[in-house]
Formats: sequence, C-alpha cells, structure tokens
Amino acid sequence: DAKTTQPPSMDCAEGRAANLPCNHSTISGNEYVYWYRQIHSQGPQYIIHGLKNNETNEMASLIITEDRKSSTLILPHATLRDTAVYYCIVRVSTGGFKTIFGAGTRLFVKA
Amino acid sequence: DTEVTQTPKHLVMGMTNKKSLKCEQHMGHRAMYWYKQKAKKPPELMFVYSYEKLSINESVPSRFSPECPNSSLLNLHLHALQPEDSALYLCASSQVAERGRTDTQYFGPGTRLTVL
Repeated sequence: DAKTTQPPSMDCAEGRAANLPCNHSTISGNEYVYWYRQIHSQGPQYIIHGLKNNETNEMASLIITEDRKSSTLILPHATLRDTAVYYCIVRVSTGGFKTIFGAGTRLFVKA
Repeated sequence: DTEVTQTPKHLVMGMTNKKSLKCEQHMGHRAMYWYKQKAKKPPELMFVYSYEKLSINESVPSRFSPECPNSSLLNLHLHALQPEDSALYLCASSQVAERGRTDTQYFGPGTRLTVL
C-alpha cells in the first residue's frame, strides 16, 4: 500500500471550512483514498473514500487531483466536535485487507 | 446498523493472567480485524480474518492469540502479556471487497488494556 503524508496539525475557526491535505504520490491505479477520523480515545470513524472522482457525503467532501497524487478533505462548516486526528489512507479495495495508518493530522477547531 | 461492539471497555491484568477481548458485529461482514494503538500513535494492524480464516498475521507475538468462532464474533486471547502491551485494542469489520463493493472498515470503540 502507498504511503501518505499529512501535516501534523492544523487549526480551524469554528464555522469555517477545514481543508485537510494529503499527499500520496506513489498511489497505484487500483488504490482508493480513504479518510477516517479519531476523536480522543474512541475508535476511528469512517468519513469518505474515493478513487479518482470528487466525492461528497453528509460529513465531508473529498477532492482528488487529476493525477491522483494528492487529495483534500473538506469539512464545510467545522464545529468544536470536529476536533480529532484525521487519517488519510490509501489501500487496494479488492481483496486487499492491509491498512496502514500514517501519523494523521491533528485538527483543532477553535471557538 | 454500522455498529461494532467490543467488551470489556477497560481491562487491567497481571502478567500471569489469561484474559480475552471480544468483538461482535451484525452487519454481515466477513472480514474482521484487530489493531493495537499506543498513546499518540496511529493504529497498527495485528490480524485479519476473512471468512473466519486467518488471512493476515503481522508478526504478532504468540502471547496474542486470535480466534474467529463465527462470522459475527472475533476474540483476542491474551496470556503472559508484558507492561509494554498496554494499549487500546481496536476491532474492525468490513465486507470482503468483490466486484463493485467497497470494503470500508467500521471500527469498534476499543478496549483499553493495562498490564501491570
């Protein structure tokens, strides 16, 4: 599985959009980009995933560059409850179980 | 229902004890996972079961013994642990990815293990 690089921490004002970048320059054609978050001492929570098209759900939007070497997770209106560690993971989605978490980005949403 | 449950929530054990962690899901998932997470570190994969068979063992010491008695249950048996094994143990489940299906993993809340 490809390795990902994320900034160690970011701040965001409450109510503003939080844009979390991820670099995955060695991603393969059959690898998806997944985002999870982990609120302190809880299990990781699935947010969104995509292959090459931009994706949106009720939690967030995922923007993947055309060359697929990087992506951005967007939380459109961050709240204090969005303070968490956000993990960007790339993994094969057909028959591949191995999931390697990088260090993630610690997002602080401030009032 | 996308819930994975884990029991107990907290466990304190001595180095000579034998204990078990339990994980359950009723989403019809046929892949189940154990992860270990140390403080301020990302989760690390330990074991994967697919269709109740061990698929991946990430060179985990034999004092950790996984078991998948049926498609809904996953156990982790612990014996002769060391204090450095203290961590949050996370269980996850997913579909087995086949044509057109995703294998998004859903995680339980974890068991906080302390080894004295």
